[in-house]
Amino acid sequence: DVKVTQSSRYLVKRTGEKVFLECVQDMDHENMFWYRQDPGLGLRLIYFSYDVKMKEKGDIPEGYSVSREKKERFSLILESASTNQTSMYLCASSLGGRGLSTNYGYTFGSGTRLTVV
Amino acid sequence: DQQVKQNSPSLSVQEGRISILNCDYTNSMFDYFLWYKKYPAEGPTFLISISSIKDKNEDGRFTVFLNKSAKHLSLHIVPSQPGDSAVYFCAAADPYSGGGADGLTFGKGTHLIIQP
Repeated sequence: DVKVTQSSRYLVKRTGEKVFLECVQDMDHENMFWYRQDPGLGLRLIYFSYDVKMKEKGDIPEGYSVSREKKERFSLILESASTNQTSMYLCASSLGGRGLSTNYGYTFGSGTRLTVV
Repeated sequence: DQQVKQNSPSLSVQEGRISILNCDYTNSMFDYFLWYKKYPAEGPTFLISISSIKDKNEDGRFTVFLNKSAKHLSLHIVPSQPGDSAVYFCAAADPYSGGGADGLTFGKGTHLIIQP
């Protein structure tokens, strides 16, 4: 069964800490994404990557950075955690290939509930 | 500017009845539409999709209808069951969007509550 695995289901961190959220996919997908989900705001794209070492800002990149050193792994980094970054973080991957509708469709991880205190 | 809109944050339906979740979009370049279902503390899971060359796609109890002229799609669940209680996200794809990734644009979600 294909998977997107997020390293932690629940995390509690202190304000100012550097936080790493890890995501691994075993589907050989080209694209990987980081979203956060907040009540009333839906899914908001933080960063995405369409290739190793490539990254692009999403809609809300401020306060975050990402790393993709290997195809299967996409890390989200909170440089200095703040309470407004308390959220559910979702990693997703997709096959890739522009213009091919059959390649649409994300596989999501189970999410990481991050609380910053 | 919200390109995919789910105007109902929540919807309550009696068990056994039909649930209809609506989604509107503004970008005429969208050519593929998907619905995802999300339970609390889990990631969204793919439910059903439709290409813009079709106006209906059916999978068991789930049917998605697409009205391109109105830029509107809907998800019908019949009959509704307690396990259908979840947040449903509508998503749309523009195959030639910038950025290099086949990014999906998501709506804000509709929380469906099935009442016994």
